Amino acid sequence: SQQGEEDPQALSIQEGENATMNCSYKTSINNLQWYRQNSGRGLVHLILIRSNEREKHSGRLRVTLDTSKKSSSLLITASRAADTASYFCATDGGSNYKLTFGKGTLLTVNP
Amino acid sequence: DTEVTQTPKHLVMGMTNKKSLKCEQHMGHRAMYWYKQKAKKPPELMFVYSYEKLSINESVPSRFSPECPNSSLLNLHLHALQPEDSALYLCASTGLAFNEQFFGPGTRLTVL
Repeated sequence: SQQGEEDPQALSIQEGENATMNCSYKTSINNLQWYRQNSGRGLVHLILIRSNEREKHSGRLRVTLDTSKKSSSLLITASRAADTASYFCATDGGSNYKLTFGKGTLLTVNP
Repeated sequence: DTEVTQTPKHLVMGMTNKKSLKCEQHMGHRAMYWYKQKAKKPPELMFVYSYEKLSINESVPSRFSPECPNSSLLNLHLHALQPEDSALYLCASTGLAFNEQFFGPGTRLTVL
């Protein structure tokens, strides 16, 4: 079974609104990461949260991690059209160097 | 230099061709990766090199052959591919285990 499954699969919002994406995973982890991918391009690392952390902020991003529920959420506040992209969570499954990506959420921010 | 470069950007090849994808980083990272990504799907790990040695092969068919000539370069040799191998091939690197990965822009491969 796949580590890291996001929901919703697709999310469409207006500029200025907040966007929340969720990720669930199945095995123990050392950290969980979020990446962004603009259409047909490489992934860009957004934020990493370690298993002993519960919340982390970076600019307009807020990530939470609940290891008891094996879930994480990514909140993007005051969204912009430029935030339109696919967002993936990725977990290491306790394994050195190896990441497994979730199915992703396609976020569309309408101007 | 904090980027991973990949060449070529696009590649079209026939099923009998032999081609290679190249990836380069100069961040001193000692782990490098190949991923395959189909449209609207997440990246799928193919290979991991750690300190220039192949450490993970995710049961990839032998028509894909990775090579790590040195700590900055990673190649993926392609031979006798199938149309279903058409995808975006992403290279990534990381400095330390359990840390962020830096991705290249990818090579869009089409197999005819």
